[in-house]
Order: sequence, then C-alpha cells, then structure tokens
Amino acid sequence: GESVGLHLPTLSVQEGDNSIINCAYSNSASDYFIWYKQESGKGPQFIIDIRSNMDKRQGQRVTVLLNKTVKHLSLQIAATQPGDSAVYFCAEKGVVAGNMLTFGGGTRLMVKP
Amino acid sequence: NAGVMQNPRHLVRRRGQEARLRCSPMKGHSHVYWYRQLPEEGLKFMVYLQKENIIDESGMPKERFSAEFPKEGPSILRIQQVVRGDSAAYFCASSRTASYNSPLHFGNGTRLTVT
Repeated sequence: GESVGLHLPTLSVQEGDNSIINCAYSNSASDYFIWYKQESGKGPQFIIDIRSNMDKRQGQRVTVLLNKTVKHLSLQIAATQPGDSAVYFCAEKGVVAGNMLTFGGGTRLMVKP
Repeated sequence: NAGVMQNPRHLVRRRGQEARLRCSPMKGHSHVYWYRQLPEEGLKFMVYLQKENIIDESGMPKERFSAEFPKEGPSILRIQQVVRGDSAAYFCASSRTASYNSPLHFGNGTRLTVT
C-alpha cells in the first residue's frame, strides 16, 4: 500500500505486481514532463518523457499518463522487479529552450520479493 | 562513451573552508546544469551554463556560491566559507542542446559534508 513517511512517501509492492506512482505538478505553463529513477548513491536516470499534447506514452514496461485538467502525472511500471526499487521523481519544464527542469518531491518504491 | 563525470564523489570540509566541485559533461555536450539535493528531497536547480557563459543562475544563492564553465576543462561549482547548511548532494547534468527535449544526463553527484 501507499503511506506517507517522515519525508518521502513510500510505495511497497510485491514483485510481479504493477506499480503506479503519482505526481501532481503545479505549473500550468509546463509543457514537457519527465520521469526519473534515482537509485541510492546515484544521479537521476531518465525513464520516459511526455509532451503536453499527449495523454499517454508507453515505453518498455513503463507507461506515463498525463491529465492536464487536474495537473496530474502518473508512472505505471508493469511486472515490477526488485531492480525497480528506487526513488522516482517527476520533473516538468516549459518548451522554451533552456527552461529549467523543476523536480517534484519523489516517491520511494520498495519491491518485496 | 563516458557519461557525466563528477569529482570528488565525497567531500568533507570544515566550516569556513572552500569547496570546489568539478563536472565534466558528456562528450559533445556544451550545456551544463547544477542541482542541489537535500536528503529525502527532490533536486533544486541552481545554475545553467554554456561554455564560458552563465545563462541562468536564478537558483544560486547570492553569496558564497559561484560557477564557471571555461572554454577548456570541467565546470566548477565553488562554495566559499562553507556552513553546515551547505551539506548536500550536488548533481551536475549536461545536454547536447538547449532544446526542451534534449535529455539531461546526470552525474552521480558530489556529497558535501560540512563539519
């Protein structure tokens, strides 16, 4: 289930189940969204991106859904594996070149074997 | 094909000392970004540089912090007279162009501890 800890919210799932990680963004002018995965001691790693003219984009085992009406983004991971355990961040930016990425607060995903 | 290289990985400084963090972008990338991350938090933008130019430093504290990206060599984030509140992980990212969808590739960060 999902719980809010002292800092990062944590999502615990059983290996093989599907995971859904949610993100609410604040800037209605944001046009481009990215999900990053950050493992302990490492930098963020690009997973998948989506532009605001799309509602859904699929990658390998991952799907990103965008609901611009309520400014909500989600990342779905199919058949979650222990290697998926990490902190996941959504990030947003405008499409003006050089506009900075703004990161959300992150969700820790823990996969139970 | 080396990724973004940051060094040192860990840096310990006493209060009042200077910290110098280095970042070598990916080959062919001329855009560098510095972010700071506190434990259990997201990354906060600090500064965006192109070769020899600071493009956006809106996230950089006004005092004690400076950044450069010289024509030759790595980008440097410099923190003078460090205080305990500067303890954090500092990440560098690079991109090939400034286009909105030019992916940012991150290094593994420098963890600064101020004692």
